[in-house]
Amino acid sequence: QKEVEQNSGPLSVPEGAIASLNCTYSDRGSQSFFWYRQYSGKSPELIMFIYSNGDKEDGRFTAQLNKASQYVSLLIRDSQPSDSATYLCAVIIGNQFYFGTGTSLTVIP
Amino acid sequence: EAGVVQSPRYKIIEKKQPVAFWCNPISGHNTLYWYLQNLGQGPELLIRYENEEAVDDSQLPKDRFSAERLKGVDSTLKIQPAELGDSAVYLCASSPRSGGFSDTQYFGPGTRLTVL
Repeated sequence: QKEVEQNSGPLSVPEGAIASLNCTYSDRGSQSFFWYRQYSGKSPELIMFIYSNGDKEDGRFTAQLNKASQYVSLLIRDSQPSDSATYLCAVIIGNQFYFGTGTSLTVIP
Repeated sequence: EAGVVQSPRYKIIEKKQPVAFWCNPISGHNTLYWYLQNLGQGPELLIRYENEEAVDDSQLPKDRFSAERLKGVDSTLKIQPAELGDSAVYLCASSPRSGGFSDTQYFGPGTRLTVL
């Protein structure tokens, strides 16, 4: 099992819909979780981080963490074409930083 | 404020040749990271520096890869000799504080290496 797993997609949603991106991780003891966005040909940029169980909201983005089930998700409300990108989940496991393979999201106008 | 600077942006070399990548982190950032990203994959950490000390190089293939951050500011990653499988994007990132990964990492534009 990989340390961090994501469905590679592609995920397509119509403009204005909610996009839901999911990530599972292997180490129950992990404490820190991150979502990065990466546009094609560009470098990753941090969208959100979450440390505590539950939801964390920032504008149109909501990160949800469920440590018991070992998954973290990212919801994008009112999706826009500019949200089309690859979304990378990252988790600190032990003293290492692991990225998932990313989920490709396309928002259709 | 200038972001993380990397050079060159693109590099094409023949296998068995040496290659070097340079990174200048955001001013004042103590921690510097080198990642490798293959197409369709997430970045994989190669080495992490806190100031001039390499605190984690467990994923660095030391038979051919080396890195240095002599004055705790800019850093160089070298491959010698390069192999076909080294073709990838090499990303540098920096974060303000030391002490693990909990700090936000800011990524540079990357160097795309093609080994022929």
